[in-house]
Amino acid sequence: SQKIEQNSEALNIQEGKTATLTCNYTNYSPAYLQWYRQDPGRGPVFLLLIRENEKEKRKERLKVTFDTTLKQSLFHITASQPADSATYLCALGSNYQLIWGAGTKLIIKP
Amino acid sequence: KAGVTQTPRYLIKTRGQQVTLSCSPISGHRSVSWYQQTPGQGLQFLFEYFSETQRNKGNFPGRFSGRQFSNSRSEMNVSTLELGDSALYLCASSLDRGRQETQYFGPGTRLLVL
Repeated sequence: SQKIEQNSEALNIQEGKTATLTCNYTNYSPAYLQWYRQDPGRGPVFLLLIRENEKEKRKERLKVTFDTTLKQSLFHITASQPADSATYLCALGSNYQLIWGAGTKLIIKP
Repeated sequence: KAGVTQTPRYLIKTRGQQVTLSCSPISGHRSVSWYQQTPGQGLQFLFEYFSETQRNKGNFPGRFSGRQFSNSRSEMNVSTLELGDSALYLCASSLDRGRQETQYFGPGTRLLVL
């Protein structure tokens, strides 16, 4: 069956360290993958998109990698700050649909 | 540009009732998608509309329906509400349904069914 998995447990990271979130998928051949941030009580906000032929994408303190062989994307936040605390969602673009992971809650401790 | 707006923001209904939620996309955006979000389940795709036509539908019962108007505004309706319909309903708009489209989400409507 088709599945997208993100760490269901919250990830606690010390301020200043790099936070790494994982998105694994099976039985998909995504054309692209997106990462979104969601704060409590609000809709998700788009962060980054990486295409199937790209290995890495950066934006300020954010970096996304996409390994279609491992069927995995990693999302990194460097020099993390308490304001980065939120739930992060990955979404696969496949056959003109977006399929979403359940999200990982990230907590940055001062 | 104004963002995606959704009304109402909060709603309390009882089982068996019906509800209509509204979404106004970003100006110029022609695609509107609806999602249901419950704790631990992630975003579940309901349907997508483009130019007043439903182009995609998720695995939800027929009690869930929607429509889009000529100005791209969209409504979704849930009839015969069940307790399990309690969720955050999110609307997202995008320019078009291309291969790589960023979705812009509204704040959501939180529905509680008692």
